[in-house]
Amino acid sequence: DTGVSQNPRHKITKRGQNVTFRCDPISEHNRLYWYRQTLGQGPEFLTYFQNEAQLEKSRLLSDRFSAERPKGSFSTLEIQRTEQGDSAMYLCASSLATVNQPQHFGDGTRLSIL
Amino acid sequence: GENVEQHPSTLSVQEGDSAVIKCTYSDSASNYFPWYKQELGKGPQLIIDIRSNVGEKKDQRIAVTLNKTAKHFSLHITETQPEDSAVYFCAASTNYGQNFVFGPGTRLSVLP
Repeated sequence: DTGVSQNPRHKITKRGQNVTFRCDPISEHNRLYWYRQTLGQGPEFLTYFQNEAQLEKSRLLSDRFSAERPKGSFSTLEIQRTEQGDSAMYLCASSLATVNQPQHFGDGTRLSIL
Repeated sequence: GENVEQHPSTLSVQEGDSAVIKCTYSDSASNYFPWYKQELGKGPQLIIDIRSNVGEKKDQRIAVTLNKTAKHFSLHITETQPEDSAVYFCAASTNYGQNFVFGPGTRLSVLP
């Protein structure tokens, strides 16, 4: 069990640029989640996948955000035309798909918009 | 939707004392309640969880209690150590653990 891996750990970009983050879940986990965390707050749910299917999206996920999990393994989260308000920590978690399973988090990608 | 409140927002205790963090939730359909510890620059790490058919669960120095009638649950840490210093988050889950709603966090400082 190597844990959830996220890359890059830090991303600094100019407003208006596109950014993409990657998440590699724990290998036997078929559910994968994306959360956003701002300073001093708890993580906020963005979206989740079961295998390759994206089953739920939060209202926080504007049309500038897109997430994929093409082969049901790793996932990418892309933000287009970044804005100052996108600055946050983006966390990925994974879990088994059975009832009441804990989610295991990666160490996140910290995004800073200049 | 679900709303989770957490108190206190900051907590300082002397090493060896106990710490208690309390959370309330709004959705009576919530049935799974994990607690996470987050250290600076790291992701949240699960420390204990409780399901709605259980009133209390203990793991060494950490315990969680759940009162479904009152819709609140608490984290108890005994014999605190400096390495317990971190931000602690409670969460509640409806729909069988698909979407966690987190509290705003408690910053615990254990003073040596």
